[in-house]
Amino acid sequence: SQKIEQNSEALNIQEGKTATLTCNYTNYSPAYLQWYRQDPGRGPVFLLLIRENEKEKRKERLKVTFDTTLKQSLFHITASQPADSATYLCASPGRSARQLTFGSGTQLTVLP
Amino acid sequence: DVKVTQSSRYLVKRTGEKVFLECVQDMDHENMFWYRQDPGLGLRLIYFSYDVKMKEKGDIPEGYSVSREKKERFSLILESASTNQTSMYLCATCHGAGNYNEQFFGPGTRLTVL
Repeated sequence: SQKIEQNSEALNIQEGKTATLTCNYTNYSPAYLQWYRQDPGRGPVFLLLIRENEKEKRKERLKVTFDTTLKQSLFHITASQPADSATYLCASPGRSARQLTFGSGTQLTVLP
Repeated sequence: DVKVTQSSRYLVKRTGEKVFLECVQDMDHENMFWYRQDPGLGLRLIYFSYDVKMKEKGDIPEGYSVSREKKERFSLILESASTNQTSMYLCATCHGAGNYNEQFFGPGTRLTVL
């Protein structure tokens, strides 16, 4: 089955800088990857989906890339703000068509 | 906006008790999911349902069962709660048969089993 690995260490960056989070998958190349944001004590909220044949996807200050050679997706937040502090989760299609397999997430803290 | 509600935000139960966690959605989504979330392990799928009375096992179904008698409601049942089932439980819904669609999550239930 697919395994999704995210940098489990917390990431601290200074306000205004670009945050870059990594998602690696270990088995088959997924048809897409999804990214979610989770705030403490809340459920995850969907941010972006990138398909296998898309190199890059943007939404406001967010950018996601998909590199099938490296088996990796990068999630960038440009001009980061303290309000961007949260845990970010990467998800891949799971064992069946309707399932998702999630990574353990990366906790981002943007320091003022 | 999709609204996914869960019956309790916090729950404390004793070992051996039968526990019901309920999830209700108001957007007529076909698919509903139950996950548990533990530090360092991320979200793990327990069970999901793609239609009324239909269910499929996820990655960690042992010790759990589910019920979906109505489209909008999906229940997770712990037949005999154990301390290793202490966790955050999250319900999610998703539209359609394909899996390109985003999942919408409820606020979660933090369950403590003593």
